[in-house]
Amino acid sequence: QKEVEQDPGPLSVPEGAIVSLNCTYSNSAFQYFMWYRQYSRKGPELLMYTYSSGNKEDGRFTAQVDKSSKYISLFIRDSQPSDSATYLCAMSGETSGSRLTFGEGTQLTVNP
Amino acid sequence: NAGVTQTPKFRILKIGQSMTLQCAQDMNHNYMYWYRQDPGMGLKLIYYSVGAGITDKGEVPNGYNVSRSTTEDFPLRLELAAPSQTSVYFCASSYSRRGNSPLHFGNGTRLTVT
Repeated sequence: QKEVEQDPGPLSVPEGAIVSLNCTYSNSAFQYFMWYRQYSRKGPELLMYTYSSGNKEDGRFTAQVDKSSKYISLFIRDSQPSDSATYLCAMSGETSGSRLTFGEGTQLTVNP
Repeated sequence: NAGVTQTPKFRILKIGQSMTLQCAQDMNHNYMYWYRQDPGMGLKLIYYSVGAGITDKGEVPNGYNVSRSTTEDFPLRLELAAPSQTSVYFCASSYSRRGNSPLHFGNGTRLTVT
């Protein structure tokens, strides 16, 4: 069983839709939760970071962490064609620190 | 400020050949990493380094070697290339080892072994 599970999609939505991306995990030691965005033929870049449980909002993006369910989510409001990319969840614990465990990524296409 | 630079961008190797994937960063980061990305598998950590002269194995180190003689450079060596090493390789760096320190990635090297 993978330590981090993420539905690979692909996910296709119309412009302006609300997008929900999710990951589940099994390691209860994970404390740091991140979402990376990866455009085609590029390296991943950090989009959102959350420590432990709770919500974090940044513009059109909201990250949620529910440690009791071992479930994290990324919501994108008013999605734009420029949001078309692969979204990777990543997480780590105090011991692993910056050595992240990644989900396999969800490929998102936002259609104009 | 170029960030993390990887060369080459693409490479085709024959089985049994060797090559070195180059990675350089200009952010003065002590921590550097090599990941491979395969379809359906996400990013897997191959090797990492916490500073010049110090390297350690990640999750999938077999078939690879690394060295870290300077803060800036972290090359990945493939000896006796195998088809299973066909992948996209990403180098990354970070300011600290804490989980909240973002990883800065290069744009990858796409390697095919035939």
